[in-house]
Amino acid sequence: EVHLLESGGGLVQPGGSLRLSCAAFGFTFSNYAMNWVRQAPGKGLEWVSSLSHGGQSTYYADSVKGRFTISRDNSKNTLYLQMNSLRAEDTAIYYCAKDSYGYPSTFDYWGQGNMVTVSS
Amino acid sequence: QSVLTQPPSASGTPGQRVTISCSGNSSNIGSNTVSWYQQLPGTAPKLLIYNNNQRPSGVPDRFSGSKSGTSASLAISGLQSEDEADYYCAAWDGSLNGLFGGGTKLTVL
Repeated sequence: EVHLLESGGGLVQPGGSLRLSCAAFGFTFSNYAMNWVRQAPGKGLEWVSSLSHGGQSTYYADSVKGRFTISRDNSKNTLYLQMNSLRAEDTAIYYCAKDSYGYPSTFDYWGQGNMVTVSS
Repeated sequence: QSVLTQPPSASGTPGQRVTISCSGNSSNIGSNTVSWYQQLPGTAPKLLIYNNNQRPSGVPDRFSGSKSGTSASLAISGLQSEDEADYYCAAWDGSLNGLFGGGTKLTVL
């Protein structure tokens, strides 16, 4: 059974940094692209970033480009999101989502989400 | 404002058929497949429809998807109280940017 477990969220001051992790279980992690999607309080879903199965291709929303870095360690079955220069508008629940193919396509399984709050 | 446009709300009574629309343009829905996600209150989203009209295993056949040109639709037949949720359409654009609709809150009256 596919299971995604996010960690690393919390409260951070504006301008600060945070690294989210997503541990994957129940599938061959290295075969699939992985994604981050966020949801601000009371708002809709927003795609943040995607990473191909081998880690060679990365994709970012304009709102986070240059500040966030997606990466993966296929030996540890773990996806990461390094978030720098955080802003109040980055406050959201961050979901890790498995893709159905090796390159970004469909978010077929989601983690439970991890809250990130950017506030002084 | 989302690039993919959905009505903010929809409603129906138990047993009815409800449709939710998703409008895009030639660079997103017009060129790529559409998926739909259901988010029950307080939970993570769940894949409902992929490749415009395919259902993952476990999704009831009451849920169906379609696409025509630059628009897509999600239909729910035999509406049930447990279908009350937020529904989101999604697609990619030509630069492989992920796009979500603004979401539609479905109320079962």
